[in-house]
Amino acid sequence: EADIYQTPRYLVIGTGKKITLECSQTMGHDKMYWYQQDPGMELHLIHYSYGVNSTEKGDLSSESTVSRIRTEHFPLTLESARPSHTSQYLCASSDSPGRTTDTQYFGPGTRLTVL
Amino acid sequence: AQKVTQAQTEISVVEKEDVTLDCVYETRDTTYYLFWYKQPPSGELVFLIRRNSFDEQNEISGRYSWNFQKSTSSFNFTITASQVVDSAVYFCALSSNNQGGKLIFGQGTELSVKP
Repeated sequence: EADIYQTPRYLVIGTGKKITLECSQTMGHDKMYWYQQDPGMELHLIHYSYGVNSTEKGDLSSESTVSRIRTEHFPLTLESARPSHTSQYLCASSDSPGRTTDTQYFGPGTRLTVL
Repeated sequence: AQKVTQAQTEISVVEKEDVTLDCVYETRDTTYYLFWYKQPPSGELVFLIRRNSFDEQNEISGRYSWNFQKSTSSFNFTITASQVVDSAVYFCALSSNNQGGKLIFGQGTELSVKP
């Protein structure tokens, strides 16, 4: 099982602010993911990474960007937050090489509210 | 295209009742993986089980059991003698190597267990 951390857990900010949601895992997993989830709704993949210096967009279009400079760290940035970005953001990681499938383990999530 | 359908949006039971959560999936891949996750009110996703498409053996873990039937493309989840702590949203998910290991989630079923 992965130890995966997200900060902050809750964030309330004003429109136009730049924010970075942090995600770190301590298991050395190559793959990391970001999902967006509106309350009571299904999860949608917005970004993923197969390893260092690898990032790809997910199935749901997002104005956010990600980077993967270190294996354990996968931050998500919004350059200018808007109320439409209000949602829960969940980070996950898995220990499988390349495009193969393995169990994804999730962090506790960040609940973002943009006023 | 891959798709997961959880037709039951909400289920309410009384403690000690048995309850089954339905999951129906669609995929053209011959090798795929099915998952169940639990999301308690705190928001994190907790991994429950992973099943490979080539292994149709049903599984039991304590009060939890899973019924995988390829003939009907279903992967149902049963909780026996439900408890209040089982109250959560449960997600079924599908993945395959052809899809790069990305998870496709169902809409989730909110289970409420009343004392």
